[in-house]
Amino acid sequence: GQNIDQPTEMTATEGAIVQINCTYQTSGFNGLFWYQQHAGEAPTFLSYNVLDGLEEKGRFSSFLSRSKGYSYLLLKELQMKDSASYLCAVHDTPLVFGKGTRLSVIA
Amino acid sequence: DAMVIQNPRYQVTQFGKPVTLSCSQTLNHNVMYWYQQKSSQAPKLLFHYYDKDFNNEADTPDNFQSRRPNTSFCFLDIRSPGLGDAAMYLCATSRPGLSETQYFGPGTRLLVL
Repeated sequence: GQNIDQPTEMTATEGAIVQINCTYQTSGFNGLFWYQQHAGEAPTFLSYNVLDGLEEKGRFSSFLSRSKGYSYLLLKELQMKDSASYLCAVHDTPLVFGKGTRLSVIA
Repeated sequence: DAMVIQNPRYQVTQFGKPVTLSCSQTLNHNVMYWYQQKSSQAPKLLFHYYDKDFNNEADTPDNFQSRRPNTSFCFLDIRSPGLGDAAMYLCATSRPGLSETQYFGPGTRLLVL
């Protein structure tokens, strides 16, 4: 079976750091994506991990541990515009999405 | 700019009245996907094309059909929309390779009256 778990909602303060976790159990694995989706809009690509470790891209970083079936997205220096849903997706030909984590950034 | 375009952005149809959603891309990607996304849910893959090869997900209802007349265009046909088909429909593209990152269009929000 295929199962991707991430928290439903999170709240964090502007300027802070937040970590969004994702655990997965899939029959195959060719990499893990994180997408950002603002309300009523399409998902936009944030990051891709295929090897274990941390990938840093500006304020956003993504970590992968394949042996643990675990990933996280780290957002630093939070801004109000970061309020969105964050989707974890496993590339298992094709892509399998989690339900997303709705992040609210408050002042 | 290379992109994925979906038209219309909002579509209102009547219960049982056929509707077609369109997607075009200037990325020249081989693979095109159609997803259905309902509120607070994950995007659900309906089908995808690898070039002209059509791949239907096992649980995609027969009510949903697709056409890809050429590399750039792909259509989603809903033959008899029901109230439960109201959703955001997302088109995405990718190029085969190591990561196969999918690039999404802005989506079409379908309302069924």
